[in-house]
Amino acid sequence: EAQVTQNPRYLITVTGKKLTVTCSQNMNHEYMSWYRQDPGLGLRQIYYSMNVEVTDKGDVPEGYKVSRKEKRNFPLILESPSPNQTSLYFCASSNAGVGTEAFFGQGTRLTVV
Amino acid sequence: ILNVEQSPQSLHVQEGDSTNFTCSFPSSNFYALHWYRWETAKSPEALFVMTLNGDEKKKGRISATLNTKEGYSYLYIKGSQPEDSATYLCASSGNTPLVFGKGTRLSVIA
Repeated sequence: EAQVTQNPRYLITVTGKKLTVTCSQNMNHEYMSWYRQDPGLGLRQIYYSMNVEVTDKGDVPEGYKVSRKEKRNFPLILESPSPNQTSLYFCASSNAGVGTEAFFGQGTRLTVV
Repeated sequence: ILNVEQSPQSLHVQEGDSTNFTCSFPSSNFYALHWYRWETAKSPEALFVMTLNGDEKKKGRISATLNTKEGYSYLYIKGSQPEDSATYLCASSGNTPLVFGKGTRLSVIA
């Protein structure tokens, strides 16, 4: 089954404790992205990757890191989480090329206390 | 950075009413316009992807149009049903992955 898998689905952590949210897709997609969703602000892009070893900042990259060592995986790293990073996070992937739909993971609800 | 705007922010309609909402996007460097349906506690799911000026797409009671010259798209729902209640997101892509609008939250009252 074609899918984008995020883990964990829910996470409560403390300020400053490094964490990684994993994202894996099995569709051989070139593009992968991370978004955060906050009330009234919609989906805001954090980072995106257009292929292996190619990553770029989105609209809200501060406090996040990503890596794309393999095509299928695109982990989101919070080196020192802060309470303002409490949010709902989505990973998405799509094929390169015009007009291809994005497939989303199930979401990760992160709370930083 | 692309700027995608959606209106209205939220909408309440009675069951059976038809409704529509708007997405506006920069017409320069346009590649594609996407509509997604996002139900609470689920992931966004693609409804339509449109690339050509004048494109019209339809899926059941839901349809969408695209005007790339003036930079807008409309999503129409005919005869709204309670199960249509969701947030409808539009997204535009230039030569980078998708940039989303803030969405229109639709509530259909039985």
